[in-house]
Amino acid sequence: GIQVEQSPPDLILQEGANSTLRCNFSDSVNNLQWFHQNPWGQLINLFYIPSGTKQNGRLSATTVATERYSLLYISSSQTTDSGVYFCAVGPWGYGGATNKLIFGTGTLLAVQP
Amino acid sequence: EPEVTQTPSHQVTQMGQEVILRCVPISNHLYFYWYRQILGQKVEFLVSFYNNEISEKSEIFDDQFSVERPDGSNFTLKIRSTKLEDSAMYFCASRNTGISSEAFFGQGTRLTVV
Repeated sequence: GIQVEQSPPDLILQEGANSTLRCNFSDSVNNLQWFHQNPWGQLINLFYIPSGTKQNGRLSATTVATERYSLLYISSSQTTDSGVYFCAVGPWGYGGATNKLIFGTGTLLAVQP
Repeated sequence: EPEVTQTPSHQVTQMGQEVILRCVPISNHLYFYWYRQILGQKVEFLVSFYNNEISEKSEIFDDQFSVERPDGSNFTLKIRSTKLEDSAMYFCASRNTGISSEAFFGQGTRLTVV
C-alpha cells in the first residue's frame, strides 16, 4: 500500500518564525489533505490540495503530485499553531484502488513564546 | 458550513462492556469512515462504508467491531466487548463520491476503557 512519510517528526520554533513541513508519498494519489490536531485531539481541516498551491492566511500549501510530495508553510508562527500536523492521501478513483485516506506519521510542532 | 458530528465527545467504559459511538455524516455524502488514534500515534483506518455495506476494513477491524447505518442520518461503530487497548480517539469521516472529493472529519470521541 501507499506509504506516507512526514518530516521533520518534531519541530520547535520561536513565535514569529517560519517553517516548512513536508509530506512524501510513495504512489499516485488524487486526494491530499492537511490537518492540524489541536491539544484537545480534534482534527482540523487545513487544506484539500491534490495539486497546486493554496493559501489561507499565514498558512499555505503546495502539492507537486508528479513528484509525490506536498509542503505546508507556516509563516509568522503563533503559540496557537502548536500541535500535530498530519497529511493524508487518498488514491480513490484509480481502478480497484482503496477508498480510504492514509495518514502520515505527523509533525509535532511546538511554538514557544 | 456542514459538518460531521460525533457523540459522545468522551466515554469511559469498563473492560468487557459494549460501547456504541455515534456519528452524523454530512447529509449528501455517500462514503463513511471510522478511524482510530491511540494516544501519541498516527491516525489509523478502521473501516469504510458505502451503499449500505462495508467496502473495506483494516486488520484492526475484527469481529468485536461492527458498523451500522440504522437510519438515513446516523452511522455507528459498535465495540462488543471492550479491551484496555481499545482506549483511543475514534474519528468518523464522510465524503461524497467522485475522484476529487474531500473527506470531512468529526471532532472525535475519546474512549477510555478502565
